[in-house]
Amino acid sequence: GAVVSQHPSRVICKSGTSVKIECRSLDFQATTMFWYRQFPKQSLMLMATSNEGSKATYEQGVEKDKFLINHASLTLSTLTVTSAHPEDSSFYICSAPAAITSPDTQYFGPGTRLTVL
Amino acid sequence: GESVGLHLPTLSVQEGDNSIINCAYSNSASDYFIWYKQESGKGPQFIIDIRSNMDKRQGQRVTVLLNKTVKHLSLQIAATQPGDSAVYFCAESSNDYKLSFGAGTTVTVRA
Repeated sequence: GAVVSQHPSRVICKSGTSVKIECRSLDFQATTMFWYRQFPKQSLMLMATSNEGSKATYEQGVEKDKFLINHASLTLSTLTVTSAHPEDSSFYICSAPAAITSPDTQYFGPGTRLTVL
Repeated sequence: GESVGLHLPTLSVQEGDNSIINCAYSNSASDYFIWYKQESGKGPQFIIDIRSNMDKRQGQRVTVLLNKTVKHLSLQIAATQPGDSAVYFCAESSNDYKLSFGAGTTVTVRA
C-alpha cells in the first residue's frame, strides 16, 4: 500500500521557538495532504488541508499564522509551528489520499510527537 | 457542527472471541465511512471502508456494517487476537475528502 512518512518522529523544543514537521508521500504523488492534531487519549482533529501550488485551507479555530503550511512539491508538505508554547504540545499526524488508485482512501503518516518546554 | 461519535469508549474481549465496535454518525451527507486502528504512538492504520450505497463489506477477519436508517456503523473482528489491542476510530467523509473522526474505542484483548 501507499506509504506516508513524517520527520521528525519526536521533537522537544523551548517555548517561543519554531518547529518544522515534514510529511512525505513515498511512492505516490499527493496534490492534497491533511494535517491533524491529536491530544492524549483524544481523537484526531483536522487542522488544515495542504494544497500543492496554492494556499492551505484551515479549519475553524486554527490559526493560520501560527501553523504555517507549505506544500512544496507533489510529495512534500511541511507544517511549521511558530512561536511554540506548551499548549501546542501534541501528536501531529499528516495524511494523503492515494489519488490515482483510490482517491477516498487516505494513508496516514506515523505521527510527530511535539513537546514544548 | 455534526460529528461522528462512538457508543462505548472501551472494550475488553477474550482472545479468540469476536469483537464488535460501534459508531454513531450524525451527518446525513456523509457517503464514505472508514475504520482505522491506532496503536500507541503511531499513526492510524486503515482497516476497512464502506460507501453509503452498501450495507455490509467484509475483509480479512473484519466486517463493517452500515445502517443508514439509524446512522450506525459497526466493526466486527472475528477471532480477536492480542495484536488487535489498539484504539479503533470510525471516520466519515463527504465529497470533499475531509475526514471527521469519532472519539475512539480502546480494545483490550485478554489472554
